[in-house]
Amino acid sequence: AQSVSQHNHHVILSEAASLELGCNYSYGGTVNLFWYVQYPGQHLQLLLKYFSGDPLVKGIKGFEAEFIKSKFSFNLRKPSVQWSDTAEYYCAVTTDDKIIFGKGTRLHILP
Amino acid sequence: GAGVSQTPSNKVTEKGKYVELRCDPISGHTALYWYRQSLGQGPEFLIYFQGTGAADDSGLPNDRFFAVRPEGSVSTLKIQRTERGDSAVYLCASSWELAGPNEQFFGPGTRLTVL
Repeated sequence: AQSVSQHNHHVILSEAASLELGCNYSYGGTVNLFWYVQYPGQHLQLLLKYFSGDPLVKGIKGFEAEFIKSKFSFNLRKPSVQWSDTAEYYCAVTTDDKIIFGKGTRLHILP
Repeated sequence: GAGVSQTPSNKVTEKGKYVELRCDPISGHTALYWYRQSLGQGPEFLIYFQGTGAADDSGLPNDRFFAVRPEGSVSTLKIQRTERGDSAVYLCASSWELAGPNEQFFGPGTRLTVL
């Protein structure tokens, strides 16, 4: 069955540390890949997405993600995190007829 | 313009009762999605509409759950004979067209509590 795995359930970092959140999916066909973020008390919102072209995509607030097709991965990165990055992060995959979210990673940044 | 809105924001009901949850998508968005999010989990897909018709309802857990979108805009998720396990946040999202590469815009959710 198709699935999305986020390996890190809860990550705690200090400000200025580098971040990488893992996302792997299982699906053999063409996929579209997303990272959504939910800041405390706010709606889910799009951070970045990939559907074709350059596998390294840049999103808002300095985030980027790299699609590695051979590894079925779409890891999220940020070179230097800020306290305001504290949030829940969700990886999502869409195919022609399916939409699947990962379970999420709770990121907590220490000031 | 306004984003996706959902009403009510909170709903408390008793086991066995019927509830309706409403979603107002962004004007002009043809695709509308319903998700259920339990504590500590990601959004779980329930159903999505393209226009008035349900394009995929494979995520609905059983026949107690039903959703409509009669005029291709507002949608209502209906849950009959509610059970305690139905307690969750129900999210609605909309996009310009079907899933694919299109960004989904999410509403604030309705928190349903079944006592």
